[in-house]
Amino acid sequence: KAGVTQTPRYLIKTRGQQVTLSCSPISGHRSVSWYQQTPGQGLQFLFEYFSETQRNKGNFPGRFSGRQFSNSRSEMNVSTLELGDSALYLCASSLVGEESPLHFGNGTRLTVT
Amino acid sequence: QKEVEQNSGPLSVPEGAIASLNCTYSDRVSQSFFWYRQYSGKSPELIMSIYSNGDKEDGRFTAQLNKASQYVSLLIRDSQPSDSATYLCAVANQAGTALIFGKGTTLSVSS
Repeated sequence: KAGVTQTPRYLIKTRGQQVTLSCSPISGHRSVSWYQQTPGQGLQFLFEYFSETQRNKGNFPGRFSGRQFSNSRSEMNVSTLELGDSALYLCASSLVGEESPLHFGNGTRLTVT
Repeated sequence: QKEVEQNSGPLSVPEGAIASLNCTYSDRVSQSFFWYRQYSGKSPELIMSIYSNGDKEDGRFTAQLNKASQYVSLLIRDSQPSDSATYLCAVANQAGTALIFGKGTTLSVSS
């Protein structure tokens, strides 16, 4: 079974630009979550989607948004990029339920200059 | 603010020893707990999940859960240099819509 696929793997953007990251979940997984990982803050939850609905959102500004499509694929968008947005963005998929672990993709490394 | 706390390390153990990694969490209603391993430059991979008080063993790994003390641990027996990585403790929220991660403990196993 194919794992979680994230594209692109690396991105370099300039302050003020916007960026869209893509995630294809494991087949059959309908829940998709996004996390930001930085050396100082660790893994921080951005949002979770199920059946095209955002069910939970972390403590991030409105510049961070996401969506999920009917085939469970998901995208996240960051507008008006800031230097502090430089991070590894990880997408994870899972089956539904509290006992379902997350399966992570390889991540997108975003560098904002 | 729900929190998950881990000692950042580094935790250094010799090859063949037992490595003990600890984690505490603040949300008393949490029911699902996970340990992930992350190698440098890679994404986290699931090692163990535990949902009930007590021990759960899988090969060289044992997860221990004590809900009364809000404490989760991971024991790695016969540690190998390939176990050198950052270990992340994660706790699911009650709705099952998010995992809250600790900042991780870096383990170094010397040969």
